[in-house]
Amino acid sequence: AQKITQTQPGMFVQEKEAVTLDCTYDTSDPSYGLFWYKQPSSGEMIFLIYQGSYDQQNATEGRYSLNFQKARKSANLVISASQLGDSAMYFCAMREEWRGNKLVFGAGTILRVKS
Amino acid sequence: DTGVSQDPRHKITKRGQNVTFRCDPISEHNRLYWYRQTLGQGPEFLTYFQNEAQLEKSRLLSDRFSAERPKGSFSTLEIQRTEQGDSAMYLCFGATGGGPDTEAFFGQGTRLTVV
Repeated sequence: AQKITQTQPGMFVQEKEAVTLDCTYDTSDPSYGLFWYKQPSSGEMIFLIYQGSYDQQNATEGRYSLNFQKARKSANLVISASQLGDSAMYFCAMREEWRGNKLVFGAGTILRVKS
Repeated sequence: DTGVSQDPRHKITKRGQNVTFRCDPISEHNRLYWYRQTLGQGPEFLTYFQNEAQLEKSRLLSDRFSAERPKGSFSTLEIQRTEQGDSAMYLCFGATGGGPDTEAFFGQGTRLTVV
């Protein structure tokens, strides 16, 4: 079974608008963390935001927020006021305490911001 | 700047040659993870260390691959008798502690091309 599912291979958004990138996960570990990374064409993985399984509030980091719905096992990334520089590949990842705290990644979503 | 550096950034090698990559985390990173990312895919776990001990290896890590972290600081990943299928981005990240909420910052990656 897929641990992390990103159902949107590609997304377009108009500059200055908000966009939501979907991520669902599968785990029976009560203690886990959810991460979002941005990967531009240069290839480096840039950490964006983190949400812990026990966190009561949704995480926010500047223009990034994580819409965490634990019962639905979803952790969608919301980017507000999109900028041209947001065009990149975005990965959702999960870390499970029972599994050595390895990161397991989804297949990614390519985001293109249009001017 | 995540404080994690990888060297080299790019490597082109002929099939059958041996290559070695290096990852330097920051001193606080007692855990170090290696990942491989092929084109259009999310990163896949290869192996990880806690201090100098290699705690887990993925089945992706064939006997041509070996990783070390001799003093619990930097780590090397060696691929012997390279094959074209080894062409990928090799990523590492360091982490403090062992919990799922610990930070996970990647280095810039080493892009390997086997010709």
